[in-house]
Amino acid sequence: DVQMTQSPSSVSAAVGDRVTITCRASLGISSYLAWYQQKPGKAPRVVISGASTLQSGVPSRFSGSGSGTDFTLTISNLQPEDFATYYCQQANRFPITFGPGTKVDIK
Amino acid sequence: QVQLQESGPGLVKPSQTLSLTCTVSGGSISSGDYYWSWVRQHPEKGLEWFGYIYYSGATFDNPSLRSRATISVDTSKNQFSLNLSSVTAADTAVYYCARWVRGDYAMDVWGQGTTVTVSS
Repeated sequence: DVQMTQSPSSVSAAVGDRVTITCRASLGISSYLAWYQQKPGKAPRVVISGASTLQSGVPSRFSGSGSGTDFTLTISNLQPEDFATYYCQQANRFPITFGPGTKVDIK
Repeated sequence: QVQLQESGPGLVKPSQTLSLTCTVSGGSISSGDYYWSWVRQHPEKGLEWFGYIYYSGATFDNPSLRSRATISVDTSKNQFSLNLSSVTAADTAVYYCARWVRGDYAMDVWGQGTTVTVSS
């Protein structure tokens, strides 16, 4: 299986900050990488697919980059509704696997 | 817009089979643009993919769960299902169904999730 790791596991930030989350795959996965946002008690919501394609309805302060094994999710100008846990997910090889998550909370 | 809704028992006894159904509304499960997935999340833990199924019945699953998990589809009811046999306490989790977009390699619509507890 492709192992996904994320760093940091948690980050404290203030409204207006810029936050960067890193995801690393144990094997090259091209650009088959998605990012999900999950709030407590809610289902995940996809924010980025194809490593850098912003999903419909997702604010432009979210951006994704990377290919191969190293990827980043950046949230610029952090807003109160962005405090959540973020997961990366690879879809290059079966089984589909997720990273362990990065919790973004309020400083 | 498409909505997904999981249904099934909230409590299952150890060694029994867990059966969950996902009902798709606002769209057809027979659309060729999507696969239909199951994902679970253990308490305070990350996400685990079971597999997905095409409307034709073709499935792509997680080898680590294959011996116990079966995904099926009923196009006449616009539903797909997950059966998980020989459950243990380790199968206690929130179970989600989700729509997988072909070519996008991500799940864009999710059910609200259903909590399943395995306990005698």
